[in-house]
Amino acid sequence: TQLLEQSPQFLSIQEGENLTVYCNSSSVFSSLQWYRQEPGEGPVLLVTVVTGGEVKKLKRLTFQFGDARKDSSLHITAAQPGDTGLYLCADGSGTYKYIFGTGTRLKVLA
Amino acid sequence: DAGVIQSPRHEVTEMGQEVTLRCKPISGHNSLFWYRQTMMRGLELLIYFNNNVPIDDSGMPEDRFSAKMPNASFSTLKIQPSEPRDSAVYFCASSLSGTVDIQYFGAGTRLSVL
Repeated sequence: TQLLEQSPQFLSIQEGENLTVYCNSSSVFSSLQWYRQEPGEGPVLLVTVVTGGEVKKLKRLTFQFGDARKDSSLHITAAQPGDTGLYLCADGSGTYKYIFGTGTRLKVLA
Repeated sequence: DAGVIQSPRHEVTEMGQEVTLRCKPISGHNSLFWYRQTMMRGLELLIYFNNNVPIDDSGMPEDRFSAKMPNASFSTLKIQPSEPRDSAVYFCASSLSGTVDIQYFGAGTRLSVL
């Protein structure tokens, strides 16, 4: 069974700081998705990466997929309070059965 | 579009009672998912419907859990009898096709079983 581990588990930073969170898999990702879940809401898809070494940018968020497709990182530049939430990675493995990571809970203080 | 709609948003019940959670998927989506989220186990898939037919219910924890999708615009997840360990946030999600597609999640139902 594939395991997705995310680190750190918790992160509390000041507004304006940069941060990176990680997602590591026990096996090769088919495709990797990053979600953000705000308090009291469901997860919302941020990005899907498919190709090893791929880098995608979404405003202040940069997503990188490892060359071997077993790890990924999410970097946030100049974090804002609106970035607060639970960040989840997930592997679809080409099917409906998404496996979600353990999550990184981020709090950005004003 | 209003998105995936779940009700109720919060449910508090006593052990042994029946609980029914409801979901209205996005119109036109043919795949529907029920998930459970806890601090210990994260987000877990309970059951997947495609075109109103249950395709995979291997994540349903016990016979106490059942799910139905009588039509394309409505699904229920029922727990009978409920137990304190069922306390969690239950999410419904829908997607156009179900495979490597964007899943749209509802806001969830926070269930507390006392």
